[in-house]
Amino acid sequence: KQEVTQIPAALSVPEGENLVLNCSFTDSAIYNLQWFRQDPGKGLTSLLLIQSSQREQTSGRLNASLDKSSGRSTLYIAASQPGDSATYLCAVRPGSSYKLIFGSGTRLLVRP
Amino acid sequence: NAGVTQTPKFRVLKTGQSMTLLCAQDMNHEYMYWYRQDPGMGLRLIHYSVGEGTTAKGEVPDGYNVSRLKKQNFLLGLESAAPSQTSVYFCASSYPGRGPASTDTQYFGPGTRLTVL
Repeated sequence: KQEVTQIPAALSVPEGENLVLNCSFTDSAIYNLQWFRQDPGKGLTSLLLIQSSQREQTSGRLNASLDKSSGRSTLYIAASQPGDSATYLCAVRPGSSYKLIFGSGTRLLVRP
Repeated sequence: NAGVTQTPKFRVLKTGQSMTLLCAQDMNHEYMYWYRQDPGMGLRLIHYSVGEGTTAKGEVPDGYNVSRLKKQNFLLGLESAAPSQTSVYFCASSYPGRGPASTDTQYFGPGTRLTVL
């Protein structure tokens, strides 16, 4: 059974710092992996999607990498800003399914 | 283009009452999903649909029913609400594929916060 883990559960950093969020999954047979952002009381917003054949995706200050063989993905945020404060979730799509399996998220606080 | 909308935003029910949550999307997506989000547990899939007139069970389907009579709408029903169904419910939609042009991104609604007393 596919399980997705995100460590740490919470992270607090000063503004301007570069940071890495981690996501691990137990079954490497995935079709793709997505990173989402969730603001308090809001829905999820897709940030980056990495297909299983890709190694990384970039959008602005965000860079997501994927290492299927080790069951890991990282989300790199460059030059963090207070507006980046949110919960970040990763989710994998198992190879045989259209469903997403979510991690429990990392709650990020960027201090001014 | 409103994306994915959910009705209602908040609801309080008593144990045993029934209700229906409505999800609508205007992106012509084939696939729609209902998730619940509980503290510390991430999102868990309740039911999903791969097209009009079709539904399928997700990870936690017990106590819920769904219907997809129109492509743009996906309804989630609670026939006899229980306190364990207190949660935030999210609807999502996508147009998945397996080719190079696949977007596969799931778009989420703002959520419905349900409390069952």
